[in-house]
Parts: sequence; structure tokens; C-alpha cells
Amino acid sequence: DQQVKQNSPSLSVQEGRISILNCDYTNSMFDYFLWYKKYPAEGPTFLISISSIKDKNEDGRFTVFLNKSAKHLSLHIVPSQPGDSAVYFCAASLGKGGSEKLVFGKGTKLTVNP
Amino acid sequence: GAVVSQHPSRVICKSGTSVKIECRSLDFQATTMFWYRQFPKKSLMLMATSNEGSKATYEQGVEKDKFLINHASLTLSTLTVTSAHPEDSSFYICSARGAFHDTQYFGPGTRLTVL
Repeated sequence: DQQVKQNSPSLSVQEGRISILNCDYTNSMFDYFLWYKKYPAEGPTFLISISSIKDKNEDGRFTVFLNKSAKHLSLHIVPSQPGDSAVYFCAASLGKGGSEKLVFGKGTKLTVNP
Repeated sequence: GAVVSQHPSRVICKSGTSVKIECRSLDFQATTMFWYRQFPKKSLMLMATSNEGSKATYEQGVEKDKFLINHASLTLSTLTVTSAHPEDSSFYICSARGAFHDTQYFGPGTRLTVL
């Protein structure tokens, strides 16, 4: 039972345009959501997070939106850069921010073309 | 700061042997360490959570006698895959957090191939 779903395995965008990565979850008890970036043969690197009490969090080129009623969150990257090419994982946590058990989606491979 | 290392990065072993993977927090004391496994084209799946000096808590379906976890110090946790079989071949990733961290910091992972 996949509690965190990333339905798009891959996404390709042009440099300078916006990248939108989507994530859906089924467990309404999740109260903290995180996005990680992962390069091949490396561990995930934390990007940005959002608490369930918020609907938006912004950090530079990265913005995460949370729609609790739809159990949906998205990561916007604008403008996209070739160095953003990686696999992006959405993760959800049941408490204490991202310091406790994380449930990951399968990831979306983003390719930013020059 | 908040660097986590893993060793080895890649290991190939014969079926039936045991393999030990180390996870170290290099610049902070990790009160909690997590072990994940990732199969190809699958998400990272939490295997177990370990607190320093305590027994690890395993997720449902993970055999504690097969995947031995030791968190003997605040900077080191080890995962030993005992009597490894080809189906244990996977990418194993650890993460760690300190007492005042609100997120986990991941290691680079270990690719295990069992022949």
C-alpha cells in the first residue's frame, strides 16, 4: 500500500522554465512533508519542507505547495537549471518534522535541458 | 555541517556470507539513526530505527535476525546482512539526526550485490 505516491516517473523541461513535481498521499495523519533531491549512487539531500499547518513554503527557486483537502503537494522550481536534473523524492512524516520515520514516494526523475 | 558517511560504498559478496555496512555521523552526535533500502525503481523503504544504546525498532516485514543493527556510539551504527542471498541485493542508505535536528541527514548509500 503506497501511502505516498509520485505518479510521474519522469519529467523533462527546458532550462529557464518552471518544473512542477507532484506528490499525493493517502494518510491524513501525516503532518510534515519534505522534498529530497538524489543523484545516482548518492544519498538523498534535503531540499525543502512544509508543515501541515501551512499551504506554502518558499526557499529561493524552490516552492512547495500543500493542499490538505486534496492530500496533494507539489514542488515548483523556477527557473529550472540543468544542475537541477536529478531524482526528486517526496516524503511524509508523522511527527516532529522530518526527524522521525519518513515514508517516501518512488521519485520523479527531472531532466532540465539546456 | 551534518555530514553522514557510509562504508563501503559498494560491496559484492557470495551467497551465504555476511556483510557489514557502517554509517557514521562525522560532525554531530546522532541520537537516532535510520536504515533504508531501495530496490530499483522503487522508493526508499525504512527498515529500522535505532537509538544509541538501545535495541533497534524494525519495520513490519523486516527480519531482525537477518539484518542486525548495532548503534553502539553516538557517531556509529552498523547494519550486518547475515547469510546474504541474491534477493538481498539492493541499495542500503542510512540517515542520522542529532538531538536538536528537525530533519534527517542521509549517507551516500551502499550498493550490495550478492552473487
